[in-house]
Amino acid sequence: ETGVTQSPTHLIKTRGQQVTLRCSSQSGHNTVSWYQQALGQGPQFIFQYYREEENGRGNFPPRFSGLQFPNYSSELNVNALELDDSALYLCASSSRLPGAGELFFGEGSRLTVL
Amino acid sequence: DQQVKQNSPSLSVQEGRISILNCDYTNSMFDYFLWYKKYPAEGPTFLISISSIKDKNEDGRFTVFLNKSAKHLSLHIVPSQPGDSAVYFCAASDLYGGSQGNLIFGKGTKLSVKP
Repeated sequence: ETGVTQSPTHLIKTRGQQVTLRCSSQSGHNTVSWYQQALGQGPQFIFQYYREEENGRGNFPPRFSGLQFPNYSSELNVNALELDDSALYLCASSSRLPGAGELFFGEGSRLTVL
Repeated sequence: DQQVKQNSPSLSVQEGRISILNCDYTNSMFDYFLWYKKYPAEGPTFLISISSIKDKNEDGRFTVFLNKSAKHLSLHIVPSQPGDSAVYFCAASDLYGGSQGNLIFGKGTKLSVKP
């Protein structure tokens, strides 16, 4: 059984740029959630995708957007990067539809915005 | 305002003794609670959960207690082992948020178990 994989693991961008983070869900999972974890904080919910549609969204501006593909892989896109966007971005998949419950997290993509 | 609070940033325990990690919440609509463990350079790993209809759930060395009237839950690890050293996150959801995949996390408690 393949777990949740994310890419890239680390990246550095400058303010104003755009970034795309990728996630492959655990085998058999059809729901993917994205979380942002700032330094010293707990993960904060960005949004969830189920059947290729956004199923729920946290308190993040529209410049945070996502996609889910037919194979249940997913992307997180962030436009017009700001310094405060520097964080660990976690992807989590689940087989519960739709819902939080037990989430299976990837290792995360650490984004640094200069 | 934080809805899930872990007021102890760190905890140090001797191997073999009990570790007790605490979590408080403010939203009375929360009905499902989870604990996650996170090692450095890894994503959080699900540990144990409890529904609001229960006050205790046990899984091996791990037990979670829920006190709804006090809006408090705790994770007990007995006996503690050096491999338990990690950051532990408490998380909660309500029926509406849960249906959207929205887990509210605390800031975490770093547990160090010393041999």
